[in-house]
Amino acid sequence: DIQMTQSPSTLSASVGDRVTITCRASQTISRWLAWYQQKPGKAPKVLIDEASRLQSGVPSRFSGSGSGTEFTLTISSLQPDDFATYYCQHYDAHPFTFGPGTKVDVK
Amino acid sequence: EVRLVESGGGLVQPGGSLRLSCETSGFTFNDYWMTWVRQAPGKGLEWVANIKEDGSEKNYADSVKGRFTISRDIAKNSLYLQMNSLRADDTAVYYCARAGFYGYYCDYWGQGILVTVSS
Repeated sequence: DIQMTQSPSTLSASVGDRVTITCRASQTISRWLAWYQQKPGKAPKVLIDEASRLQSGVPSRFSGSGSGTEFTLTISSLQPDDFATYYCQHYDAHPFTFGPGTKVDVK
Repeated sequence: EVRLVESGGGLVQPGGSLRLSCETSGFTFNDYWMTWVRQAPGKGLEWVANIKEDGSEKNYADSVKGRFTISRDIAKNSLYLQMNSLRADDTAVYYCARAGFYGYYCDYWGQGILVTVSS
């Protein structure tokens, strides 16, 4: 099975900061990676699929990059609504595992 | 509007069984793979199982293989998860999700349903 790791596990930031989260796969997954945002008590929301394709309605301050085993999610200018937990998930080969998550909180 | 609504959760004793349902609307159900994802209290997301559009292919996480069965009823636009031999570590919020048009990521999610396994 493909294992996913994320760093950091927690990130403290301020409104306006540029934020970068890294996701690594234990073997190559091409670009079959999605990023999700989850707020407490809510279902996750997909932000990006295929490593860099922004979902409809997602603000352009979110971007994704990478291929193979290393991927990044960047928020260019953190907004109050962006404080949440972010997960990556591969969908290269079953089972489609999630990363452990990165919590973005207020500095 | 795409809607996914889970039901069937609750409290069950270890070793017991439970069947979750997910009623869908707002899209052509038999055009999409469907997925179950769970989240233990205070923990991260865990992919559980998925099923092909016509039900001909099913895949499971190792943690549930042999105990859980995913199925779908196209006539009822519904997804199911039959959970047997439940253990305490199956306690979680279970989400039903639709796979995306371009891949197996989850583009629409239900609100989630809590399953608690405890004596």
